[in-house]
Amino acid sequence: GQSLEQPSEVTAVEGAIVQINCTYQTSGFYGLSWYQQHDGGAPTFLSYNALDGLEETGRFSSFLSRSDSYGYLLLQELQMKDSASYFCAVCRMDTGRRALTFGSGTRLQVQP
Amino acid sequence: GAGVSQSPSNKVTEKGKDVELRCDPISGHTALYWYRQSLGQGLEFLIYFQGNSAPDKSGLPSDRFSAERTGGSVSTLTIQRTQQEDSAVYLCASSLGAGGGETQYFGPGTRLLVL
Repeated sequence: GQSLEQPSEVTAVEGAIVQINCTYQTSGFYGLSWYQQHDGGAPTFLSYNALDGLEETGRFSSFLSRSDSYGYLLLQELQMKDSASYFCAVCRMDTGRRALTFGSGTRLQVQP
Repeated sequence: GAGVSQSPSNKVTEKGKDVELRCDPISGHTALYWYRQSLGQGLEFLIYFQGNSAPDKSGLPSDRFSAERTGGSVSTLTIQRTQQEDSAVYLCASSLGAGGGETQYFGPGTRLLVL
């Protein structure tokens, strides 16, 4: 089967940097995605890592280490609007199809 | 359309009744997914359609749940004999290609409450 572990909650202050970790166990690993979901809203795509290393998109960066089965999402210059839940999702190849399995999410609270 | 749409946005039903939830994916997207999300929880995969291939139904929690996708576009998720534990937000997503690593675009969801 598959499993993903990420912290349930993280709190940080405005302007700070926060890192949300994700460890996974799965067969057929293909890549790691991150999604953001505000309360009452739909998840929206943030980033995808298929190769080891850091991918940067503005204030958000995502890192993957395939050998460690580990990734993280880095949020810089935190803003109040970044308060949301963040989900890591493992992309895997299963019986010839790609499949996406989501973690249980990390709730980020940004304080003034 | 501009994005994935779902209807109804909210549905209240009585235990034992059947419900149908509709999803209109982004035009041209070949992959379509249904997820369920309980309050404060993660996304639970239900079913996945890819083109004309047989759907991946491995996430459906019971035989009361079924889904179809007509003409490779619109999809309907049907829950028969609803139970209170079926209360959740049902999210639909579509992606351009073969799913997985492709970006999934989510609809606003249908909030289902079974009384």
